[in-house]
Amino acid sequence: KQEVTQIPAALSVPEGENLVLNCSFTDSAIYNLQWFRQDPGKGLTSLLLIQSSQREQTSGRLNASLDKSSGRSTLYIAASQPGDSATYLCAVNPRLYGGTSYGKLTFGQGTILTVHP
Amino acid sequence: GAGVSQSPRYKVAKRGQDVALRCDPISGHVSLFWYQQALGQGPEFLTYFQNEAQLDKSGLPSDRFFAERPEGSVSTLKIQRTQQEDSAVYLCASSLIVLRDGLRVNEQFFGPGTRLTVL
Repeated sequence: KQEVTQIPAALSVPEGENLVLNCSFTDSAIYNLQWFRQDPGKGLTSLLLIQSSQREQTSGRLNASLDKSSGRSTLYIAASQPGDSATYLCAVNPRLYGGTSYGKLTFGQGTILTVHP
Repeated sequence: GAGVSQSPRYKVAKRGQDVALRCDPISGHVSLFWYQQALGQGPEFLTYFQNEAQLDKSGLPSDRFFAERPEGSVSTLKIQRTQQEDSAVYLCASSLIVLRDGLRVNEQFFGPGTRLTVL
């Protein structure tokens, strides 16, 4: 059974810092990995999706890397801002027999990020 | 809007009541998922539909939970005889397979969720 762990559980940083959120997974047979942001009382917003054949994806100040063999992904946030405060979730999409996937995501517990002015 | 919508946003039920939660996916999205998110936890998979067919219901915690998508669009998650441990946020997501950089990608888009509180 796939297990996804996120470290740290919570992080508080001053504005402007660069930071790294970590995600590890136990089964390397993945189709892709997604990073989501969740604001209080709201649904999930997809930030980045990395296919299993890719090493990293970038969007603005965000960069996500994937090392499938070691079961690790990191989300790097550059020059953090108070508006980045949210819960960040990592989710793994398993690769099924035959190499396909339909999207049954396994999530980590999330990292609660607080960026203070 | 063009996103996934869910209703009601909040539901309070007395223990033993039946509840029905609705999800309107993005138009044209073939795949639909339901997840349950307990307080302080990540979402957990409940069930998956491809059009009107329920292809995976392995995450439904008991036979009190039932989901349907009769016309391949709107879906309803029904919980019978609610218990306190059913209190959670229920999230719906839909997805469509697209080609991106030559790869088939099935990115999921989530609704705002329904927060269920069972007293």
